[in-house]
Amino acid sequence: QVQLQESDSGLVKPSQTLSLTCAVSGRSITSGGYYWNWVRQPPGKGLEWIGYIYDSGNPYYNPSLQSRVSISVDRSKNQFSLRLSSVTAADTAVYYCAREAFRVGYYCMDVWGKGTSVTVSS
Amino acid sequence: SSELTQDPAVSVALGQTVRITCQGDSLRSYYASWYQQKPGQAPVLVIYDKNNRPLGIPDRFSGSRSGNTASLTVTGAQAEDEADYYCNSRDSSGNHVIFGGGTKLTVL
Repeated sequence: QVQLQESDSGLVKPSQTLSLTCAVSGRSITSGGYYWNWVRQPPGKGLEWIGYIYDSGNPYYNPSLQSRVSISVDRSKNQFSLRLSSVTAADTAVYYCAREAFRVGYYCMDVWGKGTSVTVSS
Repeated sequence: SSELTQDPAVSVALGQTVRITCQGDSLRSYYASWYQQKPGQAPVLVIYDKNNRPLGIPDRFSGSRSGNTASLTVTGAQAEDEADYYCNSRDSSGNHVIFGGGTKLTVL
C-alpha cells in the first residue's frame, strides 16, 4: 500500500524559501506510471495545484507560481521535493503531496499525504 | 480552457438525492475526478474515470458527464457525507492540473 508523508516546515519568514519533501513508501517513484504532485490549500479556501513531476522527467508547474517553484526527485531516498522561493503571507497554506494515476481519458489523485501546515510570518 | 466551475454550496435532506456539478471545457476531453474533504483532513478520491469508485467508497456515490459538465450524485445522502467536494481534471492541453473551486454539501 502506497503512503505519502510530507515533511514539516512550520514557520517560514517572508522572502525566504519554503522547502518540503514527500517521502513515498510502498512504491518506487521512478518505476513509472504515476505523476507526483504538490497541492496546497490556504486557510478557508479551495485546493490549488502547484506542480508535478513524472519519474525524473521535466516538471510542470502552475503558471501562476512558475517563476518561484521547483519540484525535483531524489531517487536514493524515494522522495520528491518542493521549493517555493520569495514567499509571502499569501503562501500560508496546508501543503499536500499526492500521487496522480492516469489512463486514457482521465487523471486522478488516488493517494494523498496527510498535509503539512506552513505559515509565512516574520 | 483552464477553469472548472462549481456551485459554492448545495444542501440536501437526509436520505434524499443530491447532484453536484462541475463545468469546464476540458471535461469534453477528460472525465472529472471527484474528491471529498472533511474539516482538518486530506481530500479523498470518491469518483474517477467514467464512473468508478475506489475501494471503500460507498455505492451511493456515482459520477456522470454530459458535454462539458460533470456531475457527482449522492443517492440517499447520509450525515457523514457532509463535506466539501472538489472536481479535478487536466486542462485541455493535458499538461496542467486544474481543480474546481469546491462545493460545500450540507446534509439537513
